[in-house]
Amino acid sequence: DAGVTQSPTHLIKTRGQQVTLRCSPKSGHDTVSWYQQALGQGPQFIFQYYEEEERQRGNFPDRFSGHQFPNYSSELNVNALLLGDSALYLCASSWGGGAQETQYFGPGTRLLVL
Amino acid sequence: AQKVTQAQTEISVVEKEDVTLDCVYETRDTTYYLFWYKQPPSGELVFLIRRNSFDEQNEISGRYSWNFQKSTSSFNFTITASQVVDSAVYFCALRGGYSTLTFGKGTMLLVSP
Repeated sequence: DAGVTQSPTHLIKTRGQQVTLRCSPKSGHDTVSWYQQALGQGPQFIFQYYEEEERQRGNFPDRFSGHQFPNYSSELNVNALLLGDSALYLCASSWGGGAQETQYFGPGTRLLVL
Repeated sequence: AQKVTQAQTEISVVEKEDVTLDCVYETRDTTYYLFWYKQPPSGELVFLIRRNSFDEQNEISGRYSWNFQKSTSSFNFTITASQVVDSAVYFCALRGGYSTLTFGKGTMLLVSP
């Protein structure tokens, strides 16, 4: 049973560039959530996708956007990268997305913006 | 608004010692869910436990145990007879109603041989 997978594992970009991160959910899961984890901090919720729609969004600017595909996989796009966007980006999947559902996390993508 | 406080930034113990990680939460939801995750140096968050607000029974799983007390809004995590492999950052998280999953800042546990 494959867990949550993310690609790429590491990424280096320069300020102003755009980046796309990818996530495949755990088998049987239909909901994908994205988190940003800065060094030494807890993960911060970016947004959640369910049935190909953004269902919830955290306090992140519009530079952060996403998409969910019919096979439930998801992408996170960040435009006009800033140095402060350097972080570990975590994808989590669950079934149904309700509060009681446990979210299972992938290994993350480490983004460094120079 | 929801809030999770993990007051212990870093804990160092010697192998075989017992260690308790504290978690205090705030929420206005009457129904909510509490979680603990482990994050080893590799970065992946590993799910440990989920506790519902209406179930205050403590839980034990091997060397791990959790103490949930609604009266003090706490959900503490104890590792008995710690091992080097327990070294990681541990996060407590909260989710209620239609709110999002809120994490504490984490407690780094270092177990030395």
